[in-house]
Amino acid sequence: DAGITQSPRHKVTETGTPVTLRCHQTENHRYMYWYRQDPGHGLRLIHYSYGVKDTDKGEVSDGYSVSRSKTEDFLLTLESATSSQTSVYFCAISELGTSTEQYFGPGTRLTVT
Amino acid sequence: TQLLEQSPQFLSIQEGENLTVYCNSSSVFSSLQWYRQEPGEGPVLLVTVVTGGEVKKLKRLTFQFGDARKDSSLHITAAQPGDTGLYLCAGAPTGTASKLTFGTGTRLQVTL
Repeated sequence: DAGITQSPRHKVTETGTPVTLRCHQTENHRYMYWYRQDPGHGLRLIHYSYGVKDTDKGEVSDGYSVSRSKTEDFLLTLESATSSQTSVYFCAISELGTSTEQYFGPGTRLTVT
Repeated sequence: TQLLEQSPQFLSIQEGENLTVYCNSSSVFSSLQWYRQEPGEGPVLLVTVVTGGEVKKLKRLTFQFGDARKDSSLHITAAQPGDTGLYLCAGAPTGTASKLTFGTGTRLQVTL
């Protein structure tokens, strides 16, 4: 299994509070991704990174920001959480050049009340 | 936005039955992957197909990539309870290999 961890695994927070989710990898893969998974929508890309300090938006980036100061860590921040951001968040990694395959972390279940 | 439609959305079958899950798009993909996800866990990669018409087998699972690289199918022979889970297809659009487009998934339940 790819070495990917996410923290926290579960979080309940109130509307309007900032939240940061962390993804940590031990594989030294260049690409890292944040997805959210909601019933009926599948996995939707929020942001991704193609190197340290290099990030780009996905299809549902509004209300989210990311940072990557080290190869192994990719942070997802909700500046002011809203109930619509209640979801399960997955981090994934990939090493392009040989394939497009992505390897996923265990997920973070976030509830915004 | 390139869409991947999966069918059926839900499938409940008994152990020993065969089934096929479909993944369709109007767009061409450079490669297509299938993942399986169990409750409370992240998706796990099953297979990648890259050539039009390609067929890959993984024990009782057979994956096929369409000739035009716009669709794919997953066939399970003699399903077992351990096959229960959410099956996701994901395509890499041509020219944008860094991002995958995911289908909405097929939830499979196999009962004894």
